[in-house]
Amino acid sequence: QQPVQSPQAVILREGEDAVINCSSSKALYSVHWYRQKHGEAPVFLMILLKGGEQMRHEKISASFNEKKQQSSLYLTASQLSYSGTYFCGHNAGGTSYGKLTFGQGTILTVHP
Amino acid sequence: SAVISQKPSRDICQRGTSLTIQCQVDSQVTMMFWYRQQPGQSLTLIATANQGSEATYESGFVIDKFPISRPNLTFSTLTVSNMSPEDSSIYLCSVLSGTASYEQYFGPGTRLTVT
Repeated sequence: QQPVQSPQAVILREGEDAVINCSSSKALYSVHWYRQKHGEAPVFLMILLKGGEQMRHEKISASFNEKKQQSSLYLTASQLSYSGTYFCGHNAGGTSYGKLTFGQGTILTVHP
Repeated sequence: SAVISQKPSRDICQRGTSLTIQCQVDSQVTMMFWYRQQPGQSLTLIATANQGSEATYESGFVIDKFPISRPNLTFSTLTVSNMSPEDSSIYLCSVLSGTASYEQYFGPGTRLTVT
């Protein structure tokens, strides 16, 4: 079953912060976050593992609440380059980290 | 991270025909994955390509429609057979890489349009 992302879209001014949430109805082994710019392939941001620590990638961090089966992506002091569609993917089967079910995506637009 | 290339980058095909997409990785990987991204949509896993064994397909995808080859540890092909306009999508291959092989990296994709 597909994870649910919220919000569907976010519009920010440069320097503002944003949070993107990802919820699942299944017990999760891992949550993966990607950013995709128009016409390009998704780019890996970070992975959160069950029992693992909160991760960071530059000014982007993420958390994973195993009990609630939720993950959140925190974008701090956003930059123009942060614009794109953010996808979370989850691995619920515990088989391979490559077999991901992705959420519907959150479109992030950062204006000057 | 692994460097992945795909051929062709895009193609326009007529319905009823087939297209084979190639995926090349610059290092040996155990598993390769094929995803589809329909216009404006999220990514959907089609199948896992294992070297030396049959590919394993996800629900809704069948071998007759999407045959996959995996002749060695750096290469795979996905064929989209008997195409219809509904097959118009971006097809991406991906691999696991990184220190602990948790990180999944995607190729640049093949943009397919079926007329």
